[in-house]
Amino acid sequence: DIQMTQSPSSLSASVGDRVTITCRASQGISNYLAWFQQKPGKAPKSLIYAASRLQSGVPSKFSGSGSGTDFTLIISNLQPEDFATYYCQQYNSYPRTFGQGTKLEIK
Amino acid sequence: QVQLQESGPRLVKPSQTLSLTCTVSGGSISSGAYYWNWIRQHPGKGLEWIGYIYYSGTTHYNPSLKSRLTLSVDTSKNQFSLNLSSVTAADTAVYYCAREISSGWYGNYFDYWGQGTLVTVSS
Repeated sequence: DIQMTQSPSSLSASVGDRVTITCRASQGISNYLAWFQQKPGKAPKSLIYAASRLQSGVPSKFSGSGSGTDFTLIISNLQPEDFATYYCQQYNSYPRTFGQGTKLEIK
Repeated sequence: QVQLQESGPRLVKPSQTLSLTCTVSGGSISSGAYYWNWIRQHPGKGLEWIGYIYYSGTTHYNPSLKSRLTLSVDTSKNQFSLNLSSVTAADTAVYYCAREISSGWYGNYFDYWGQGTLVTVSS
């Protein structure tokens, strides 16, 4: 199985800040990487696919990059609604695997 | 707008079979462009992929659950289902159904998720 490792596991930031979350795959996955946002008690929401492509309706404050084994999610101009847990997921091979999550908290 | 909705018993006894159904609305489950997935999340934990079924009945299971898992599809009802046998407390989780789109160049990725349903395994 491909292991996905996110860092940091938690992150405190202020409204208006720009934050970066990283995700590393245990082996190369090309650009078959997705990012999800999950708020407490809710289902994950798809944000990004193919490492950098925004899902329909997702604001451009979210951006993704990377290829191979190293990926980043950047969220700019943080707003209260952005504080949530973020997951990366590889879809290069089965079984699909997720990172352990990064909890973004308000400072 | 595509919507997915999980349904089924919220409480299952140990050693019994956990059964859930996902009803798809706003789109056809028989479209060849999609794979229909189950994903679970243990309380306070991360996400675990369970498996997918294609409208034709083709399946792919997570090896960690394969011996206990059966996925099925009913195209006439636009539904797909999960059966997980011999459950234990370790199977207590929120179970999500999700659509995976086959996009060609960009690969197969999840786009729509159900709201999830918490299933508790307890006597």
